[in-house]
Amino acid sequence: GNSVTQMEGPVTLSEEAFLTINCTYTATGYPSLFWYVQYPGEGLQLLLKATKADDKGSNKGFEATYRKETTSFHLEKGSVQVSDSAVYFCALSDPSNTGKLIFGQGTTLQVKP
Amino acid sequence: NAGVTQTPKFQVLKTGQSMTLQCAQDMNHNSMYWYRQDPGMGLRLIYYSASEGTTDKGEVPNGYNVSRLNKREFSLRLESAAPSQTSVYFCASSGKNSGANVLTFGAGSRLTVL
Repeated sequence: GNSVTQMEGPVTLSEEAFLTINCTYTATGYPSLFWYVQYPGEGLQLLLKATKADDKGSNKGFEATYRKETTSFHLEKGSVQVSDSAVYFCALSDPSNTGKLIFGQGTTLQVKP
Repeated sequence: NAGVTQTPKFQVLKTGQSMTLQCAQDMNHNSMYWYRQDPGMGLRLIYYSASEGTTDKGEVPNGYNVSRLNKREFSLRLESAAPSQTSVYFCASSGKNSGANVLTFGAGSRLTVL
């Protein structure tokens, strides 16, 4: 079945460091791919998305490219800030086209000043 | 712009008690969802409603019931709470955004079952 695997956390970085959070997926068809972010005590918010192969989603300095050949959608940011500390979830759209999302387990990012 | 509103934010129950989590959205979305979030497990779908008047089971429906009261409201009921249902519950609704169904989430309801 369809699934999403993310790198284990927590990931701890110093401010201004480069961030990569790995995400790979298994899916039938051509799903849309998403990154959601959850700040402490809040619900999930859409960070970025990509709907087809080779698309690059970007927002707030974060980027991810939909790689069909490697079934990956890794999240990157060139220079992280303390305010980026949060839990990041990779997700893919269920092929049933009901809008359901299948989530990875989440990766906690801690950025230290 | 309220988006998705969930109540209550916190609840403590004893084993065997019942309760209902309420959810409402003001974005005129057709589809709504209930997920639970547990450490190391990500979010798992409990139930969803593709449109008013329809509901379907998700990945972990046992012990829950839902009602799609109208287009705006989608409630989740625990008839006889168990400690395994201690979790954070999120309601979401979805609408199209540049060709993809994008979920908008509520702030969550933290439930503890003793």
